[in-house]
Amino acid sequence: DAMVIQNPRYQVTQFGKPVTLSCSQTLNHNVMYWYQQKSSQAPKLLFHYYDKDFNNEADTPDNFQSRRPNTSFCFLDIRSPGLGDAAMYLCATSRDKGREKLFFGSGTQLSVL
Amino acid sequence: GNSVTQMEGPVTLSEEAFLTINCTYTATGYPSLFWYVQYPGEGLQLLLKATKADDKGSNKGFEATYRKETTSFHLEKGSVQVSDSAVYFCALSERGNNNDMRFGAGTRLTVKP
Repeated sequence: DAMVIQNPRYQVTQFGKPVTLSCSQTLNHNVMYWYQQKSSQAPKLLFHYYDKDFNNEADTPDNFQSRRPNTSFCFLDIRSPGLGDAAMYLCATSRDKGREKLFFGSGTQLSVL
Repeated sequence: GNSVTQMEGPVTLSEEAFLTINCTYTATGYPSLFWYVQYPGEGLQLLLKATKADDKGSNKGFEATYRKETTSFHLEKGSVQVSDSAVYFCALSERGNNNDMRFGAGTRLTVKP
């Protein structure tokens, strides 16, 4: 019954080696988000898609990119991971924009060696 | 800009104790307010929400009332259980604010038997 699915659950990559995290949803929601959550901190929004429209947060590093090939899937690409990018990455969806509750996946814990 | 400030943790309680986690917000308009819960190793789940002043959100014995006059949305539960041990995030989202769900820093709750 999982509605927002993230794979893999744990991802280990090497310093500088590109990595892709994936997210899929069965809710047919218009909006998909990527959050970065470091230990004991609030989730930080990296970017979101409203349908095919991409919205990048002003302080999201260029190292982070995203793709949404269709309604169901969204990917987070980290082009050259640094040690500081080790974190939990959370995918979320919402039906529409503004004041809507978010549905989260279980997250991908990224380690950078 | 919009922001959320919540009580710093960690909070440790004995089973059946009364819980309050304070949350105050700053917003330019009329946001919806949320409490999310994050169990160990998982993504965030919506616990409850309120969309306008004086609304009370409730779920699983937890309650929070949207107080516009004090800009607060404190989370309460009359009798906590060990299974309530988690991190609790207060959040707000405002229509027209580029869809950004703003989270507080989170409060870790540990309930001991």
